[in-house]
Formats: sequence, structure tokens, C-alpha cells
Amino acid sequence: GNSVTQMEGPVTLSEEAFLTINCTYTATGYPSLFWYVQYPGEGLQLLLKATKADDKGSNKGFEATYRKETTSFHLEKGSVQVSDSAVYFCALPKTTRSGGGADGLTFGKGTHLIIQP
Amino acid sequence: GAVVSQHPSWVICKSGTSVKIECRSLDFQATTMFWYRQFPKQSLMLMATSNEGSKATYEQGVEKDKFLINHASLTLSTLTVTSAHPEDSSFYICSATERTGGTGELFFGEGSRLTVL
Repeated sequence: GNSVTQMEGPVTLSEEAFLTINCTYTATGYPSLFWYVQYPGEGLQLLLKATKADDKGSNKGFEATYRKETTSFHLEKGSVQVSDSAVYFCALPKTTRSGGGADGLTFGKGTHLIIQP
Repeated sequence: GAVVSQHPSWVICKSGTSVKIECRSLDFQATTMFWYRQFPKQSLMLMATSNEGSKATYEQGVEKDKFLINHASLTLSTLTVTSAHPEDSSFYICSATERTGGTGELFFGEGSRLTVL
């Protein structure tokens, strides 16, 4: 099955700093790629996604580009805020299906991001 | 977005007892639900996939007689941890999708923290 590796934290940054959280994947074919965020005390929320190579997903100032050459989907934000403090998970389908059928996701270990004022 | 609710959000039980966790899709019909387990500072591990009206598909290494999953309706799935032991203490998270074809967006519950004494 597919797998994902992301940098482990915690990552501590000052407010307005530039953020990069690395994520690389191993997959059959070209599955959709996701970033989920888990704020303290809450469930996981989809942050952004990309469904094909060279796609760029973006939301709330975060961006990630699906790069098949480097099998990466790094998460970036130009200027982080204290409210961005959370755990971020890179994910992709457990298997790459060509004919449909809902599939569970495989998650990275999560990166705990701490933004200091 | 769609809302998935879990209940209870936390539960403490004695060793040897059984605990049931509910997962409900509040504003959509969930044809497929997934149950994950998250250990402290670790990633989410997919336990099983359940489709409404059929038996759950368990991941390798997950005991189906230990973790009973029922998905009797399009809005409710339950996970019952039978004869719980301290090693079953964990954070259990459900997610749901309303599409049976492809990897639709997953919506996550808030999670249920189980502590077995």
C-alpha cells in the first residue's frame, strides 16, 4: 500500500515566520494528496488537497504543490500566526484505486507546530 | 462542511468491561465510515472500514472480535471494545465519506479517548 513520511516536530516558530513542513510519499500511480490539521481539543479538518500532479492546493494562506518528480507535497505558509498552532498531518489513500470505491487514508506521524507571539 | 459527531468524547472503564463508541454523520448520509486509533504523539492507524449494511473490513493485525464495528444505518456506526484492557487505552477517531466511488473528502469526528483502568 501507499505510505507517507513527514517531518516530526515539534516545530517552534515566531509569529510571521515562514513555514515549511516536509512530506514525501510512496504510492502506486498518482493518488490524491491531503493535508489535515488538528487544533487542540478538536477533530481533524481537511486543510487542503491536490488531486493530480502539479496541482497546488491552498487554504487559509497555506499551500502545497503535488510534485511527482520528487514525490513530495510540502506544506508552506509565508507568515504564520499564533492561531496556526496545531498538529498537521500529511495523508494519501491507503491504496490507489482506478475504479472507485471509498478508501481509508494513510497518515504521516503528524507535525506539532507551535507559534510563539 | 459536513459534521461527524462522536460520543462519548471520553470514557473511563474497568478492565474486562465493554465500551461502545458511537459515530454519527449529522447532516449527510455516510455510505462508508472508517475507524482510526491514535496513540500519543503518533499517527492515526486505520483499524477498519465499514460500509452501511455490510460487515466491516479490518486492517491486518486488528482483532475483529475485540473491536466490533456495526454500521446499521447511513448515519450511525458504532465501535465496541470488548473485554477492554489497559493496552486498549487510546484515542479512537471515526471518519465518514458520503461517496462510495473514489476517495471523497473525509470528515472526522472529534475523537473518543478511552482509558481502561
